[in-house]
Amino acid sequence: AQSVTQPDIHITVSEGASLELRCNYSYGATPYLFWYVQSPGQGLQLLLKYFSGDTLVQGIKGFEAEFKRSQSSFNLRKPSVHWSDAAEYFCAVGFLISSGSARQLTFGSGTQLTVLP
Amino acid sequence: SQTIHQWPATLVQPVGSPLSLECTVEGTSNPNLYWYRQAAGRGLQLLFYSVGIGQISSEVPQNLSASRPQDRQFILSSKKLLLSDSGFYLCACTFVRGTDTQYFGPGTRLTVL
Repeated sequence: AQSVTQPDIHITVSEGASLELRCNYSYGATPYLFWYVQSPGQGLQLLLKYFSGDTLVQGIKGFEAEFKRSQSSFNLRKPSVHWSDAAEYFCAVGFLISSGSARQLTFGSGTQLTVLP
Repeated sequence: SQTIHQWPATLVQPVGSPLSLECTVEGTSNPNLYWYRQAAGRGLQLLFYSVGIGQISSEVPQNLSASRPQDRQFILSSKKLLLSDSGFYLCACTFVRGTDTQYFGPGTRLTVL
C-alpha cells in the first residue's frame, strides 16, 4: 500500500533563512508526487508536482522540490523564507484507483512551518 | 476561470441532525470530483470520488453519502450526524481529465455538538 511520511511535525526558521521540508513515500510504481500548502482555515493550494522528467521541479512562490528515486524522497526547498510562508505543508502521492479512471491522493500528516521575524 | 465553490463555509449542527454540503465547479466539464475530510490531528482522508454524473465510489465506510446530480455539482450528505463527523471538509477537482492534478476548494468547517 502507498504511504507518505513527513517526519517533521513542526519546523521553525527565521525569515530569510533557507528551508527544507522532508517527504518520503512508499509506492510500488512510478509515483506522482505533489506538495500543497494550507493556511489556517483555508483549502489546499498546489505548490508543485512531479510526474516524470526532470527530477528538480519548480513551483510557485519560489519553492522547488527534488525527486530522488533511490531515497524515495521528494523534499521541498526554498532558499529564503518569507514571513508569509508560515503555514502547513502537505506532501502527497497520487496513485491510480483500481478502475483506472481516477487517481487518489494519499497525504502525509503535514509539517507546520513557523517563521520568526 | 476554473473555480471550486463550497457552501456553506462553516456549519454548526446538533448530533442526529441531517447534513448537506455542496461543491460546485466552474470552468471545466466532466471533471473527477473528490470529497476529503481533515480532522484534527488525523490528516486528510479521502471519503468519496466521482468520475461522472451518478457515479460515486466510497473509500471508507461511514454514515456519510455523496451524490453527483449534475456534471459540476458534488454533494455530501448525512441523515444523522455523529460527533465524530466534525472536521474540515474539502472538495477537490481534476479540472482536466487525465492530468491527475487535484485542486481544492476553500472547505467547509463542520462542528457537531
